[in-house]
Amino acid sequence: AQKVTQAQTEISVVEKEDVTLDCVYETRDTTYYLFWYKQPPSGELVFLIRRNSFDEQNEISGRYSWNFQKSTSSFNFTITASQVVDSAVYFCALSERGPGAGSYQLTFGKGTKLSVIP
Amino acid sequence: EAGVTQFPSHSVIEKGQTVTLRCDPISGHDNLYWYRRVMGKEIKFLLHFVKESKQDESGMPNNRFLAERTGGTYSTLKVQPAELEDSGVYFCASSQAPRWRGRGFAQFFGPGTRLTVL
Repeated sequence: AQKVTQAQTEISVVEKEDVTLDCVYETRDTTYYLFWYKQPPSGELVFLIRRNSFDEQNEISGRYSWNFQKSTSSFNFTITASQVVDSAVYFCALSERGPGAGSYQLTFGKGTKLSVIP
Repeated sequence: EAGVTQFPSHSVIEKGQTVTLRCDPISGHDNLYWYRRVMGKEIKFLLHFVKESKQDESGMPNNRFLAERTGGTYSTLKVQPAELEDSGVYFCASSQAPRWRGRGFAQFFGPGTRLTVL
């Protein structure tokens, strides 16, 4: 069975600090996808990134960067120079093919609540 | 492009009553997923539609939950009769057909419906 662990329940940082959110996953499949979602106070889940299991290149998007390491089953997310608007709950998720044809249900971690203090 | 919409945003009902949640996916997205998050727990998969067909309903908790997707457009999730443990946030997500290296696989979420059963 697949599992996603986000060990950090809550993190507080001062604005402009860098912060890394950890994500460790378990899966028996060799083909899978990893995701990060952001949930701001308004409640919706905002898609940030998708990574497939065959692509271990790290990715940078502005102040956001992601470090995918299959050897340690981790997919960590770093925010550089954090801002107050980054305050949210961040979810890591894993997808394998489900029982139905083309079913890629997501397995989520419990989320990490990030508070950026001005 | 309009995002995934859900109605109502919040519903408060008494135990034993019936509630129907609605989800309108992004136009053109054949895949529609329902998830829920109960207090303090992870976001959990409920079921997956491809157009009007149920592809995977392995996450449905019991037969008090009925999901439909008439005509492959919007979907409804009915809880009848509601129990206290059904309280939580119900999310809907939609995606295009999965493509291995394409972006069409990312699931885009709605704002959720917060259900409170008293």
